[in-house]
Amino acid sequence: GAVVSQHPSRVICKSGTSVKIECRSLDFQATTMFWYRQFPKQSLMLMATSNEGSKATYEQGVEKDKFLINHASLTLSTLTVTSAHPEDSSFYICSALGTSHEQFFGPGTRLTVL
Amino acid sequence: TQLLEQSPQFLSIQEGENLTVYCNSSSVFSSLQWYRQEPGEGPVLLVTVVTGGEVKKLKRLTFQFGDARKDSSLHITAAQPGDTGLYLCAGRLNYGGATNKLIFGTGTLLAVQP
Repeated sequence: GAVVSQHPSRVICKSGTSVKIECRSLDFQATTMFWYRQFPKQSLMLMATSNEGSKATYEQGVEKDKFLINHASLTLSTLTVTSAHPEDSSFYICSALGTSHEQFFGPGTRLTVL
Repeated sequence: TQLLEQSPQFLSIQEGENLTVYCNSSSVFSSLQWYRQEPGEGPVLLVTVVTGGEVKKLKRLTFQFGDARKDSSLHITAAQPGDTGLYLCAGRLNYGGATNKLIFGTGTLLAVQP
């Protein structure tokens, strides 16, 4: 099946710094990728839809200036958490849309902001 | 507003017992997927149901899509400790074109005790 990777898998940063998370589709091209946020023992919440070559579409309540998304190529989307604060600590998961409209999920990135 | 409600939210059972997880919505979905997620990892797709009334079996797991495509159930027979995890249903909403968005259910955390 299709493989999606995320880097880093874990990151710890100081409050006020920015953190970039990469999402790559390894063996297929994805014009659309999705970014989710997940709190412990809770479900996935869609943050934004990332479209290659155009601006991301953010869900209601998600600050676009806080969570910068760039989808510069057909295999890479990045999520940058700007001026991170402890409340941004979470598990961030991306997915890439395959040609059959199935979403393939990455392994997630654990962000801890001190 | 949570479009997909799962019940129960938590379930702890003994090995060998049967269980059913429900996924309910007032919205109609073009398809519905079930995932299982283990701690610190991304969700793994178990099944996709597309047709109203459809039933799919995956070894000891039986999935059913409601006739009106608004709800679904997951039944596990003779649960095993390896079934432990977070079970998520996700409905696909069509926005037209090639972009599809998944709406995740609230999740069911299952623990199977040996």
